[in-house]
Formats: sequence, C-alpha cells, structure tokens
Amino acid sequence: GENVEQHPSTLSVQEGDSAVIKCTYSDSASNYFPWYKQELGKGPQLIIDIRSNVGEKKDQRIAVTLNKTAKHFSLHITETQPEDSAVYFCAASIAHASGGSYIPTFGRGTSLIVHP
Amino acid sequence: ETGVTQTPRHLVMGMTNKKSLKCEQHLGHNAMYWYKQSAKKPLELMFVYNFKEQTENNSVPSRFSPECPNSSHLFLHLHTLQPEDSALYLCASSQDRDRRNEQFFGPGTRLTVL
Repeated sequence: GENVEQHPSTLSVQEGDSAVIKCTYSDSASNYFPWYKQELGKGPQLIIDIRSNVGEKKDQRIAVTLNKTAKHFSLHITETQPEDSAVYFCAASIAHASGGSYIPTFGRGTSLIVHP
Repeated sequence: ETGVTQTPRHLVMGMTNKKSLKCEQHLGHNAMYWYKQSAKKPLELMFVYNFKEQTENNSVPSRFSPECPNSSHLFLHLHTLQPEDSALYLCASSQDRDRRNEQFFGPGTRLTVL
C-alpha cells in the first residue's frame, strides 16, 4: 500500500519568513495530492491540492510543487502570518476520473508555529 | 464552518460503557468517512460509506460499530473500549467517493476512555 512520509514534524518561523513542508510517497500510481490545515479544536481543511498532470500550483501565498520522478511534493507558504500557525497534513491517493476508490494516505503532520 | 457537524465534541467513558458518536453533513454528499486521529500518528481511516453502503472497513476492532441510516448521517457505536482507543474521532464527507476527491471534515469528538 501507499506510504507517505512528511518532514519536518515541527517548523518554527518568524512572521514574514517562508515555510516549506516536504512529503514523499511510495506508490507511483498515486495521482492526487491534497494538503490540509488543521487548527486547534477543528478538523482538517483542504487548502490546496495538485494532480499528477501538473508540476506546480499556486493560490496567493500558498504553492505546491510535485516531482513525480522523485515521488515527492512540497507545500510552500510565503510571507507567513501568525494565523498560519496550525498542523499541516499532506496526503496521496489514486483518483480515477471514471470511478474507483479514493482513500487518501496521510502524512504524520507538521506543526507550524509562526512567531509575531 | 465546513457543513459537517459532530456530537458530542467531548466524551469521557468507562471501559464498560456504551456510547455513540454522531455525524451529520449538510452538503448533499454521498460518501462519509470515520477517521481516528491519535497524537503523533497519521490519520487512520476506519470506515467508508458510499451511498449508505459500507465500502471500507480498515481492520477496525468490533468494539467500534458504524451505522449509516442515510447519506446525511453517520454514527459510530462504541462498547467495551480500551484506554488506547482514546483519540480524536473525525467524520468527513465527500460528494462522491470516486469522482470528487475533496473531503470535508467535521470538528471531531475528543474521546477519553478511562
């Protein structure tokens, strides 16, 4: 089955700095890679995702890159703000446009702390 | 809010108790999921329902019993739990397990087993 490794487990940055979280996956058939943000007392919330037919995707201060050959993908947050402080999870799965199971495998999470 | 609600938010129970967790989604989704979230471990998928039919049981012990009476409601019945079952139990839904991938999570039920 799929195995997803996520690093680092904790990341501490100053406000305004950039933060990068990295994940690797094992199953070359995986083609859908979502990132979730979990704030204290809340469930995870999707913040950005990428499919294997693209190498990079951006949404304002957040970007995700994917290297299919190396089987790794990364989350980049620029100009970090205190409200970015949360636990971030990466995931990998096989998503079929015509059907089939979608069961994501999650990483262990990264606790991001942004100091004012 | 995500449109997925869970009750109760906190639950403390003894090992001999029977309790139920409830999840309701107001998004018109067809697939619902139970996850277990323990400290320093990845999210663990427990059960998946698609159009009210259970499609995944990820080797979950029988002391956890899911029920999905309709596409909007999902229950997790608990009995004779162990202290190691203490965790955050998250419910999620998606439009269709196969075609729409984004999962919307509820806030979770923090369960403590004494």
